[in-house]
Amino acid sequence: GAVVSQHPSRVICKSGTSVKIECRSLDFQATTMFWYRQFPKQSLMLMATSNEGSKATYEQGVEKDKFLINHASLTLSTLTVTSAHPEDSSFYICSARVAGGPYPYNEQFFGPGTRLTVL
Amino acid sequence: GNSVTQMEGPVTLSEEAFLTINCTYTATGYPSLFWYVQYPGEGLQLLLKATKADDKGSNKGFEATYRKETTSFHLEKGSVQVSDSAVYFCALSLSGGSYIPTFGRGTSLIVHP
Repeated sequence: GAVVSQHPSRVICKSGTSVKIECRSLDFQATTMFWYRQFPKQSLMLMATSNEGSKATYEQGVEKDKFLINHASLTLSTLTVTSAHPEDSSFYICSARVAGGPYPYNEQFFGPGTRLTVL
Repeated sequence: GNSVTQMEGPVTLSEEAFLTINCTYTATGYPSLFWYVQYPGEGLQLLLKATKADDKGSNKGFEATYRKETTSFHLEKGSVQVSDSAVYFCALSLSGGSYIPTFGRGTSLIVHP
């Protein structure tokens, strides 16, 4: 099946620092990627939709300046958590929607997630 | 609006037991329905899907049938294994919603040897 990678898989940082998480579609093109946040034992909360070559669309209640999203190419989106605080600690998952390649158009594939811990 | 309701977990079973995880939905339009599985510490993997009424999705011994009349998509497996222990998410997506999935809360399955 399609592969979506996330890097890093796990990161620990100090409060006040910024952390960048990468999401890559390895064998297909994705004009749209999604960033989710998952709290322990809860469902995924959609944070934002990342569009290649344009600004991201944020869900209500998600701070744009806090969670910077860049979708610079058809295979890469990045999420930067700026000035991280302990309450930002969470599991962040991206997904990529097929826009080209060997998989059905519009099908979504999920990355393995990134565990962020802010001390 | 669109929503997905799953039975609360955890569901605890012995190996080889029969599994049912209930899922019902509300949607404006005709959604596609999905089951995703999340193993501990990992992201989501698509387990199976169905795109229209009466379709049956199946994979790895799991099955779910799209029931429009009851707006349900219950997940079943005849004989669970310890390795099936995971969290299962039911989801729907609509073309009018740009195919962004709406997820249920997830149901944790624990299978004992």
